[in-house]
Amino acid sequence: DGGITQSPKYLFRKEGQNVTLSCEQNLNHDAMYWYRQDPGQGLRLIYYSQIVNDFQKGDIAEGYSVSREKKESFPLTVTSAQKNPTAFYLCASSPQVSTGELFFGEGSRLTVL
Amino acid sequence: QQQVKQSPQSLIVQKGGISIINCAYENTAFDYFPWYQQFPGKGPALLIAIRPDVSEKKEGRFTISFNKSAKQFSLHIMDSQPGDSATYFCAASGDSGYALNFGKGTSLLVTP
Repeated sequence: DGGITQSPKYLFRKEGQNVTLSCEQNLNHDAMYWYRQDPGQGLRLIYYSQIVNDFQKGDIAEGYSVSREKKESFPLTVTSAQKNPTAFYLCASSPQVSTGELFFGEGSRLTVL
Repeated sequence: QQQVKQSPQSLIVQKGGISIINCAYENTAFDYFPWYQQFPGKGPALLIAIRPDVSEKKEGRFTISFNKSAKQFSLHIMDSQPGDSATYFCAASGDSGYALNFGKGTSLLVTP
């Protein structure tokens, strides 16, 4: 089935450690996104990519990094510089940026102890 | 700066009632206004969307009303059901190459 696969679904890490969240899509979409969701804060854009080997910062990029080496993959690294990394992270894709429906994965919940 | 403002934050409606969620935006370049529905532990999914060339769009029990001059749009859920209990997000985007801007969400509870 076509869709977005995020892994792991749950992740626990100690403070100061970098963690990488995986996002894979088989929808042949050009654009991919990472959002962070916190209670009462809605969905805040971390990074997005319109095409392979290109990505742009969103509203809250500090402390995060991404890569887009393949069309189907857009991993997110939460670095030790992110001051409050505990959150629900959502990956999404769309045929193009800002032209239609976003397809979301089921999310990854990161807890930093 | 929040580009899309959503209210109320939470809403409780009795089964069979009408649920209404409102959103407002400032950027007149926005030309796509979707609503997403999210169940606990899941990613959001597109519910219904509208473009500013129409003032209303209806899909089943769900209707978007759009007021371009007031820069507001709203979601109406008719005959609300317990299965509609979820978090709803409005969003907006324009032809600027930037991604969707989401509201903060409304937690809807439909009681039996």
